[in-house]
This record gives sequence, structure tokens and C-alpha cells, in this order.
Amino acid sequence: ETVLTQSPDFQSVTPKETVTITCRASQNIGTSLHWYQQKPDQSPKLLIKYASQSISGVPSRFSGSGSGTDFTLTIKSLEAEDAATYYCHQSSDLPSFGGGTKVEIQ
Amino acid sequence: QVQLVQSGAEVKRPGSSVKVSCTASGDTFSNYAIAWVRQAPGQALEWMGGIVPIFGTVNYAQKFQGRVIITADESTSTAYMELSSLTPEDAAVYYCARENTYGSDFDYWGQGTLVTVSS
Repeated sequence: ETVLTQSPDFQSVTPKETVTITCRASQNIGTSLHWYQQKPDQSPKLLIKYASQSISGVPSRFSGSGSGTDFTLTIKSLEAEDAATYYCHQSSDLPSFGGGTKVEIQ
Repeated sequence: QVQLVQSGAEVKRPGSSVKVSCTASGDTFSNYAIAWVRQAPGQALEWMGGIVPIFGTVNYAQKFQGRVIITADESTSTAYMELSSLTPEDAAVYYCARENTYGSDFDYWGQGTLVTVSS
């Protein structure tokens, strides 16, 4: 079973800042790592797949990188609408999710 | 446009079972896998299991083995998740999600079904 550890748990940022969220896997998962955004009372939304592949309709300020065990989601020039909780998910073996990172806009 | 529409909220007694449905439209149901993910209040997402309808193969998270059954009816493009022996700790929003290909990202999600467990 692959355990995903996200950090930080919480981040409070101002608009136009750059946010970096990390996700560490307990074993090598290649690039089978995906990122989701979840706003309050909404279903999760796919942001990035396979570590760095963009998703149609997702703003270009969202990007992902990494492979193996260490992954990063970067949000450049944060906007108010980006306030949400972000989750990583691995599909290398039986799926698992990270604990989430809540991003608050000051 | 792909849509996953789930059944409505449920209130259950401890020890009972709940069955949640997820009906897909907008694409060929059998070409994809369906996963079930739950989220307890204020908690992270938790994968419960998934099914590949065209093959009928099912995988479950070890935590739910023996207590969850996931099925699919290709004729109605509907997947089901039944969880038994409910406890208050099972109170959560239950989501279905489509796996783009088996063992990949979850590209479409249902709206969620709130399950309340209370005596």
C-alpha cells in the first residue's frame, strides 16, 4: 500500500503569490500521481494528471512536477477563486490519496 | 458531456446497510472503470474500491474488505456501492468517479451522496 504525505496541511496566502504543495509517496510510483482541487461542498476536480500533464479547461497557472517519490503542485499568481483544498492521488497500485492541503486566501 | 448522477441522501441505523447508485451518461459506460471514494466530515478523500464493468473485475481497499460490495449494470450504465454493518464512523459523503483508464486519474465525479448513520 502506497502512503501519500502532503505538506503543508494549511497555507494562508495573498492574491498573486505563488503556492507550492508537495506530495511524498512511500515508494516509487513513477509519474502515476494526480492532483485535485476541492472547494467547500463540491466534488473534487481533476487539475493535473500523471504528475505534470495539463487538463483541458484548467487555468495555466496550475502546474505539476516530479517523479518517483516526490511531487509538487504549483499555483502561480494565486487568485481568490483558488481557495480550496488540494489532494494528490496515486494510481501506481491500489489508489490512495494524500491528506489534503487547505489553501486560504488572505 | 459526461455526467455521473448519484442517488439521494440516506439516513441509516447502526448495523444496517446502504446502497448508493451512480448512473453514467455521455459516454460508453463499459469503456471505463468506476471508483468509489468517501469523505467523512472535515476529513480527506478515501478510496474504497473500484470496478471495471466490461470485465466485472473489482478491487477493494483492505479497510473495507468484507463489508463493501461494488457492482455494475451495463444495461443501465449504473454502478452500485453497498456498505454493510454501518457504524457512526461511516457517516460521510460517498462519491463515484470515473477512471479515465483503469488505474489512472479520476476525470469525472458524481455529485456525492450524504450518508448519515444515527440511532
